[in-house]
Amino acid sequence: DAGVIQSPRHEVTEMGQEVTLRCKPISGHNSLFWYRQTMMRGLELLIYFNNNVPIDDSGMPEDRFSAKMPNASFSTLKIQPSEPRDSAVYFCASKSGQSSNQPQHFGDGTRLSIL
Amino acid sequence: QQQVKQSPQSLIVQKGGISIINCAYENTAFDYFPWYQQFPGKGPALLIAIRPDVSEKKEGRFTISFNKSAKQFSLHIMDSQPGDSATYFCAASGASGTYKYIFGTGTRLKVLA
Repeated sequence: DAGVIQSPRHEVTEMGQEVTLRCKPISGHNSLFWYRQTMMRGLELLIYFNNNVPIDDSGMPEDRFSAKMPNASFSTLKIQPSEPRDSAVYFCASKSGQSSNQPQHFGDGTRLSIL
Repeated sequence: QQQVKQSPQSLIVQKGGISIINCAYENTAFDYFPWYQQFPGKGPALLIAIRPDVSEKKEGRFTISFNKSAKQFSLHIMDSQPGDSATYFCAASGASGTYKYIFGTGTRLKVLA
């Protein structure tokens, strides 16, 4: 079975540029989560969707960040304009079901470096 | 009240030894407590999970012990192997009727051969 697929795996770009990260959740999963991982702050939830609808975006750091889920099989996280402090590993995760006690399945992440 | 406190930050264990990682939470509304294992360059992968209606769950060499009254839970890795060297995260979920995980800060485990 295919897991959560993220692209690109690595992204290096200059500050001020637009960055788009992509995620394909596991087929049949109805919740999708975007996380950011850094040494200083650990794993932070940025936003999560349920049935393609954003439910909680309280973790999105500022207006430069936006996320969309146009359909059940695709989501994007966009940073515009990017800044060096956005450098981190960004993970996408998905889960099935309508209860909290179903596990989230993570992709292998996008390592983002903003120069 | 939403925090999950994890300790130790790092752990070194000899091969064959027992690795123990502890987590504590405050919000009694949490109802699902997973542990994730993360290798370098990979995403976190579910290792084992427990619900608060049981005090222990065992899967192979991995055991979760859960103390509801103390609001603590721990991961025990028996017969630790060098291949277990990874970062381990505890998490809690279910508060406020949401699917959000609150993650601990992680424990970097190194098992010496």
